[in-house]
Amino acid sequence: DAEITQSPRHKITETGRQVTLACHQTWNHNNMFWYRQDLGHGLRLIHYSYGVHDTNKGEVSDGYSVSRSNTEDLPLTLESAASSQTSVYFCASTRTGLHEQYFGPGTRLTVT
Amino acid sequence: DAKTTQPTSMDCAEGRAANLPCNHSTISGNEYVYWYRQIHSQGPQYIIHGLKNNETNEMASLIITEDRKSSTLILPHATLRDTAVYYCIVRVAGGTSYGKLTFGQGTILTVHP
Repeated sequence: DAEITQSPRHKITETGRQVTLACHQTWNHNNMFWYRQDLGHGLRLIHYSYGVHDTNKGEVSDGYSVSRSNTEDLPLTLESAASSQTSVYFCASTRTGLHEQYFGPGTRLTVT
Repeated sequence: DAKTTQPTSMDCAEGRAANLPCNHSTISGNEYVYWYRQIHSQGPQYIIHGLKNNETNEMASLIITEDRKSSTLILPHATLRDTAVYYCIVRVAGGTSYGKLTFGQGTILTVHP
């Protein structure tokens, strides 16, 4: 069955380190999104991509970057992890024309 | 995107219908109503969407008022597994902001045995 996966599911890292969170979908969806979820803020959009080599900044993009070299993957990189980036990160995908988005299981990141 | 207002929390008995309201009085003519839910520690899950007409799928029904200023998500026979946070989202289906969802605080639905 087609699916969307995230790895790792849990990550603890130190302040200042570079961290990459993986997102992989097998639906061949052209649109992919990264959100973070924090208590009191709900889900907020970090970056998104409408296709290979396309990337766009979302509401809370500072300190994060993405690259899209193929249809299936949209890795999220924290260039220099900060304690404020401790959060749960969700990846999502959809195909243009579809109303529903499909979310991954999430990655819980702790920056110490 | 139009602002939505949902109750903070609701309770429902198992086997009964759960009716979750959402107010969206500033909705525009080309904006859809979407419902997602998030079960504890999982990613959000799409439930249903609608523009003007009432909609039904295998998970739920969506009732939109004639003036489109409010809607109700109905889970016809709630089970314990339906305990989750339910999000009502109003947005256009396409355009330059395609796919960018804005999640509010949602309604915490607790289904009791």
